[in-house]
Order: sequence, then structure tokens, then C-alpha cells
Amino acid sequence: DAKTTQPNSMESNEEEPVHLPCNHSTISGTDYIHWYRQLPSQGPEYVIHGLTSNVNNRMASLAIAEDRKSSTLILHRATLRDAAVYYCTPTLNTGTASKLTFGTGTRLQVTL
Amino acid sequence: EPEVTQTPSHQVTQMGQEVILRCVPISNHLYFYWYRQILGQKVEFLVSFYNNEISEKSEIFDDQFSVERPDGSNFTLKIRSTKLEDSAMYFCASSETGGSYNEQFFGPGTRLTVL
Repeated sequence: DAKTTQPNSMESNEEEPVHLPCNHSTISGTDYIHWYRQLPSQGPEYVIHGLTSNVNNRMASLAIAEDRKSSTLILHRATLRDAAVYYCTPTLNTGTASKLTFGTGTRLQVTL
Repeated sequence: EPEVTQTPSHQVTQMGQEVILRCVPISNHLYFYWYRQILGQKVEFLVSFYNNEISEKSEIFDDQFSVERPDGSNFTLKIRSTKLEDSAMYFCASSETGGSYNEQFFGPGTRLTVL
């Protein structure tokens, strides 16, 4: 499993953009990079994923480095509801049910 | 929007007792998973399940654990003889396909407390 390194915590003001970094230097060529978040007292929630190209969806954007050893989750305008622990998890394509491997994640605090 | 549901939300049991945690995955999903999270720790993979058999299991998933899809809708995790260290939040997840490009949908979890 690819190892990940994320800051323990980050803070943001509401309505400001947030860039959440992740290093995954041991990622293999076929691992997709997934981001999930966990709001307080809830199960993990899918945010976004990508392989090589940058990706956008209604929740966030994902910027993937050219060498794929790091990625950045971008929340364009943080709200109080985005306060959560954010996990990046490279996911090995096993050809069958692909497990998610969670690290300690980044706890995002959003303030008014 | 379809969602994964889990019952009960909280289960309290005595050490050595058997517990069954229940999950109803999203109806058209074919891949099912159990994860657990001990308080204050990481979310850990336990087992994945497809086509009525285990696809992969972690070291945590020893002989005390078993999974079953007893009918077309439920997916259960059984712990045969609970230990204090089994106290955790248990999350069920499902996905439409098994590839690493596919998102997993998680349930709200069952908090298991072993006394």
C-alpha cells in the first residue's frame, strides 16, 4: 500500500479557498488517488478521485503532480460544513474489490 | 439519493458474546466492505466481499470475524466472541464496481461497545 503524508491540521476562513496537500511518493502507476472526508460522528464520504489529470467536480478540484507523487485537494470556497478530516488514499487496482487505506488525514477547521 | 444504512446505531455487549452488525448496501452495488475505527484512530479496512465470497481481508479479520450476505439486500458482519479491543465504530461500504477508480459509499456506522 502506498504511504501518504498529510498535515495534521489546517485552518481556513469561511469563503476562502483551501489547498490540502498530500504526499504519496510510493504510489504505483495504476493507483488512483482518492480523497474522502469524515465529518464529525459520520462515516467517510467520497470527495473526488483522479489518476493523472486534474479533476473537478461539484465538491472540489484535485490537482495531481506530473510525477504523481503528490496531489492537492482544492476547496474553492470553504464553508463551516466543510470542517472535517480529509484523507487522501491511493487505491491499488487489484481487479477486484479495491480497499481504501486511510492515514491520519488532515483536520480542517473553518472559522467565520 | 440512495444510501447505505446500518443497524443498530449503537450496540453494547459483554465480552465473549456474539454480535451481528447489519448493513443494507445501495441496491445496485455489487461490492461490499467493512471498515472499523477505534476511537481516535484511523479508519481500518477489515474485509471486502464480492460474488458471495471474500475478496480480501486484513490481518484484523481473524477467525472470530465472518461476513455474510444472507439475502439480496443485507450484508452482515459477525464477531463470534467479542473482546474489549473490538470496541470501535464499524462502517459498512458498498460500490458499484470493484475497480480502484470507483467510489465507495459509506454507512453512518455502528458503535460497538464491549464491556
